[in-house]
Order: sequence, then structure tokens, then C-alpha cells
Amino acid sequence: GENVEQHPSTLSVQEGDSAVIKCTYSDSASNYFPWYKQELGKRPQLIIDIRSNVGEKKDQRIAVTLNKTAKHFSLHITETQPEDSAVYFCAASIGGVDGLTFGKGTHLIIQP
Amino acid sequence: NAGVTQTPKFQVLKTGQSMTLQCAQDMNHEYMSWYRQDPGMGLRLIHYSVGAGITDQGEVPNGYNVSRSTTEDFPLRLLSAAPSQTSVYFCASGGGAPIRELFFGEGSRLTVL
Repeated sequence: GENVEQHPSTLSVQEGDSAVIKCTYSDSASNYFPWYKQELGKRPQLIIDIRSNVGEKKDQRIAVTLNKTAKHFSLHITETQPEDSAVYFCAASIGGVDGLTFGKGTHLIIQP
Repeated sequence: NAGVTQTPKFQVLKTGQSMTLQCAQDMNHEYMSWYRQDPGMGLRLIHYSVGAGITDQGEVPNGYNVSRSTTEDFPLRLLSAAPSQTSVYFCASGGGAPIRELFFGEGSRLTVL
């Protein structure tokens, strides 16, 4: 089955700086890569996703890049704000959310 | 619009007891799934269903049963609870073709003593 590795497990950045979270996947057939954000005590929520026919996707301060050859994808958050503090999960699957495999998560801490 | 509703939110069991975590969604989603979340382990898929009458195993199915008799409901049964099943459980559903987003419930925190 699919295996998703996520790094780092904890990331602390100064407010206003950029944050980058990286993931690798094992199954070359995977073609759907979403990112979920989970605030403390809350449920995970989708923030952005990308499919393998696209190399980069942006939505305001967040962007995701995908390198299919190297089997890795990354989440980029620019101009970080206190509300960005949360646990972020990357995931991978073939086609859609059926059997979505998640990484172990990155705890992003925004320092004032 | 309630979305995905899980009950109970908290439960304490003794080893060997059985219980059912309930999950209901009102979005007419065909896809439903159960994940468990443990510290440092992320979200691990237990079972999922792509429609009424169809279920399949995920990454960590042992010790859990599911059924899908209706589109709306997807209960998760623990037949004989073990301390290793202490976790936070999330139900999630998705719809559309292709399914682009999982909608999660609020979670159920289960402690097995």
C-alpha cells in the first residue's frame, strides 16, 4: 500500500516568515495530493489539493508544489499569521479520497 | 446543515466491553470512512465504504467492524475493546465525482481501561 512520509514533525517560525512542509510518497500510481489543517481540538479540514497533471497550485498565502519524478510534494505558507498555528497533514491516493493515506502530521507554531 | 455527526463525543470502556460509535451524514455522500488519530501517528484509515452495502478494510481494521445499510449511516463497532484502541476516532464522508474533499465529524475520544 501507499506510504506517506512527512517532515518536519514540528516547525516553529516567526510571524511573517514563510513555512515549508514536505512529504514523500511511495506509490507512483498516486495522483491526488490534498493537505488538511487541524486546529487544536478541532476536526481536520481541507485547505488545498493538487492532482498529478499540475505542478503547482496557489490559493492566496498557501501553495502546493508536486514533483512526480521524485515522488514528493510540499506545502508553502507565506506571511505566516497566528491563525496558521495548527497541525498540517499531507495525504496521497489514487484518483480521489478513497483509501486516502495521511502523513503523520506537522505541528506548525507561529512565534509572535 | 449538520454535516457529519458523530456520537458519543467521549466514552470510557473497560477491556473486553463492546460498543458502537455512530456516524451520520446528511450530505448524501456515497463515500464514508473511519480514521483513528493517535499522537505522532497521524490519521490512519480503519474501514471505508463507497456506497450502501459496500465496505472495505483500510490500514488498521483489526478489532473493528462496520456496516453500511443506508447512505446516511456508517457505524463502527468495537467487539471486545482493548487498551490499544484508546484513541480519537473520526468519521469522514465525501461526495461528487471525483470526490475532492473529506468532511470530518468532530471526533469521538475513546478510552479503554
